[in-house]
Amino acid sequence: LAKTTQPISMDSYEGQEVNITCSHNNIATNDYITWYQQFPSQGPRFIIQGYKTKVTNEVASLFIPADRKSSTLSLPRVSLSDTAVYYCLVGATNDYKLSFGAGTTVTVRA
Amino acid sequence: ETGVTQTPRHLVMGMTNKKSLKCEQHLGHNAMYWYKQSAKKPLELMFVYSLEERVENNSVPSRFSPECPNSSHLFLHLHTLQPEDSALYLCASSQDLNRASGELFFGEGSRLTVL
Repeated sequence: LAKTTQPISMDSYEGQEVNITCSHNNIATNDYITWYQQFPSQGPRFIIQGYKTKVTNEVASLFIPADRKSSTLSLPRVSLSDTAVYYCLVGATNDYKLSFGAGTTVTVRA
Repeated sequence: ETGVTQTPRHLVMGMTNKKSLKCEQHLGHNAMYWYKQSAKKPLELMFVYSLEERVENNSVPSRFSPECPNSSHLFLHLHTLQPEDSALYLCASSQDLNRASGELFFGEGSRLTVL
């Protein structure tokens, strides 16, 4: 399984863009990159998944460079309700043992 | 309404009690999972079921006993637990194991406290 490294925590203010970078140097050819969000005392929620280049949905964008050794989750114009832990997962689509790791705690302040 | 429902949301039990956690998914998924999340620790995968068959037991002590009577329901039977088993227990489902990473749907969890 590819090992991921992401910052432990990040602080931001309302209305700013938050970018969280995840390193995955030993990503395999059939691995996808998936991000989840978790609020306190709740289960994680799927945000976005990508394989290469850029993926965008109504919640976030995911930027993946050509070498795929890292990826950046971009949250546009965050609000207080975006305060959560964000997890970067790397693995094949049939890899049900994906590790959630420690995640990045994002704190959005007024 | 969440697609994955867990009950109870909170449970306090003594070390000699027997209790069960219940999970129900309304998404028509074929794979279901139990995760444990202790304070300040990452999620730990406990059990995985696919089409009601257990495909993974991640070295979980026998005091935790899963049951999957059908593809919509998953139980975690608890017996003779220890205080260190206090944690948030999360149930999740996915369309099938081939799309496990694609989108896991989690319930809101059952907060267990063992006295």
